[in-house]
Amino acid sequence: QVQLVQSGAEVTKPGASVKVSCKASGYTFTNHAIHWVRQAPGQRLEWMGWINVGNGNTKYSQKLQGRVTITRDTSASTAYMELSSLRSEDTAVYYCARRFVRHFDYWGQGTLVTVSS
Amino acid sequence: QSALTQPASVSGSPGQSITISCTGTSSDVGGYNYVSWYQQYPGETPKLMIYDVTNRPSGVSNRFSGSKSGNTASLTISGLQAEDEADYYCSSYTSDTTLDVVFGGGTKLTVL
Repeated sequence: QVQLVQSGAEVTKPGASVKVSCKASGYTFTNHAIHWVRQAPGQRLEWMGWINVGNGNTKYSQKLQGRVTITRDTSASTAYMELSSLRSEDTAVYYCARRFVRHFDYWGQGTLVTVSS
Repeated sequence: QSALTQPASVSGSPGQSITISCTGTSSDVGGYNYVSWYQQYPGETPKLMIYDVTNRPSGVSNRFSGSKSGNTASLTISGLQAEDEADYYCSSYTSDTTLDVVFGGGTKLTVL
């Protein structure tokens, strides 16, 4: 069955970077885009960006442009999201999600990133 | 970042029907049949409930249905059950070049 398994929780300091992984299984990794969505405590879902896993092309939210980088390792069936210059408002649960046409049919379990001095 | 507009909360009694609205623009909800709805319990991962405005994934109860009129999409839950109490988010593809996907603010459904 399709699974997206994310790396564990992170605690990091303002100004630092964090890299979250998302390992896919149960389907052909290169056939579906991977999107990243975050959710701050008590807040709505926020789209961050996506990667065409087949060719590596990416698109990022204008709000996060310049701070977020999404990559993939097809040999490991794993996508990565790196967020730099972290601020307290980046504290959130970060999700990867598989795109099927124009919706997200499978989600990772979420990774809590806490930014605190 | 633009967002779709949902009511903050709705409530209903067991057995009743409720509808959650999701209002966008002609650049997203009104322009494409790519509206989806997600159910999220506290501390859990979102679950796809409706896609492409009206379609239900396999395994989702037929008590859940979706529709759209103009720039507003709706999720209807009939025969409310206690287990339906959760947060619901709408989402749409958008032609806004600064984004690819836009989400609603979420609606807390309370089953009285």
